[in-house]
Amino acid sequence: GENVEQHPSTLSVQEGDSAVIKCTYSDSASNYFPWYKQELGKRPQLIIDIRSNVGEKKDQRIAVTLNKTAKHFSLHITETQPEDSAVYFCAASGSGGSYIPTFGRGTSLIVHP
Amino acid sequence: GAVVSQHPSRVICKSGTSVKIECRSLDFQATTMFWYRQFPKQSLMLMATSNEGSKATYEQGVEKDKFLINHASLTLSTLTVTSAHPEDSSFYICSAGRTLGDTEAFFGQGTRLTVV
Repeated sequence: GENVEQHPSTLSVQEGDSAVIKCTYSDSASNYFPWYKQELGKRPQLIIDIRSNVGEKKDQRIAVTLNKTAKHFSLHITETQPEDSAVYFCAASGSGGSYIPTFGRGTSLIVHP
Repeated sequence: GAVVSQHPSRVICKSGTSVKIECRSLDFQATTMFWYRQFPKQSLMLMATSNEGSKATYEQGVEKDKFLINHASLTLSTLTVTSAHPEDSSFYICSAGRTLGDTEAFFGQGTRLTVV
């Protein structure tokens, strides 16, 4: 089955700095890569996603890049704000025709004002 | 976007009792729903896939008799933690997709279960 590795587990930045979270996946058949943001005690919310036919996608301060050859994808947050502090999960799905996502272990992002 | 509602958000129960958690898709029909367990500061661990009108598919290591799943309608799936023990205390979250094969997962609010 699919295996998703996510790094770092914790990321601390100053307000205004950029943050990058990286994920790798094992199954080259995976074709959908969403990123979720989870605030403490709340449900994960989709913030951005990318499909395998695209190399990069951007939505305001958030961008995701995908390298299919290397089987890794990254989340980039620019001009970080304290409200960006949360746990971020990457996921991969589509392997073997399955749409069940396999999640990474999560990255706790802390943005210091 | 699609709305998934989970109830209750918090529950405290005595050891040995059973607890039922409901997951409802409010504005769409969900043929399949998923149940996750999340430990503090850890990722979402898929417990089982709930299929409407048929038996749930459990992940390896998840006790079927312990975590009973019923998906009796296209908008409701339930997870019952039977004979709960303190080690069952956790955050349980359900998710659903809008259509079969929908790749975006919509999550419920989650349920914080504490067994005392």
